[in-house]
Amino acid sequence: DAGITQSPRYKITETGRQVTLMCHQTWSHSYMFWYRQDLGHGLRLIYYSAAADITDKGEVPDGYVVSRSKTENFPLTLESATRSQTSVYFCASKRAGISGANVLTFGAGSRLTVL
Amino acid sequence: GQQVMQIPQYQHVQEGEDFTTYCNSSTTLSNIQWYKQRPGGHPVFLIQLVKSGEVKKQKRLTFQFGEAKKNSSLHITATQTTDVGTYFCAALNSGGGADGLTFGKGTHLIIQP
Repeated sequence: DAGITQSPRYKITETGRQVTLMCHQTWSHSYMFWYRQDLGHGLRLIYYSAAADITDKGEVPDGYVVSRSKTENFPLTLESATRSQTSVYFCASKRAGISGANVLTFGAGSRLTVL
Repeated sequence: GQQVMQIPQYQHVQEGEDFTTYCNSSTTLSNIQWYKQRPGGHPVFLIQLVKSGEVKKQKRLTFQFGEAKKNSSLHITATQTTDVGTYFCAALNSGGGADGLTFGKGTHLIIQP
């Protein structure tokens, strides 16, 4: 049971570079999410997706782009990284349907440092 | 969007003491979830509360959902070093969960042996 995997786990980049964080889940969950975690802010939603080819903005989408061409993958791209995007990024997924199914399962996280 | 306030931000306890974290919302919640994140780890689902006044227990952990469904608490009895971590409450966003959860800022539990 591979679950939900994120890569890379650690990344150091420079201001202005493009960075893509990958997220892959093996459950065929319909819903996928990207959160960032910063000290003092907790977890904040960046983007979410209800299905392949359906994505929408969360609370803090500026500077990020997502795509979802396949159900199992939900990459997050920082088109031109800024220092304020230094953070830990978590991908999560959940299955669609019945009550009680709003539980999120998180990946291990990707720690990004922008110099 | 949905907002949930969580207090305290940090809690230091001696091992064996009890611990409580509180979560409050200005609006009525359809349900509340609790997650635990170990240091260096990722959030892991603990429990979901749905009914007004609901109380659930998991060993030394007791979860409560307020009668008005606007507040919740997590109480740990006789803390152990394995309880160290950050505890988050989370509520469904207005899209009924399709648009994810809004998390409280978390309570960091620090245990001194």
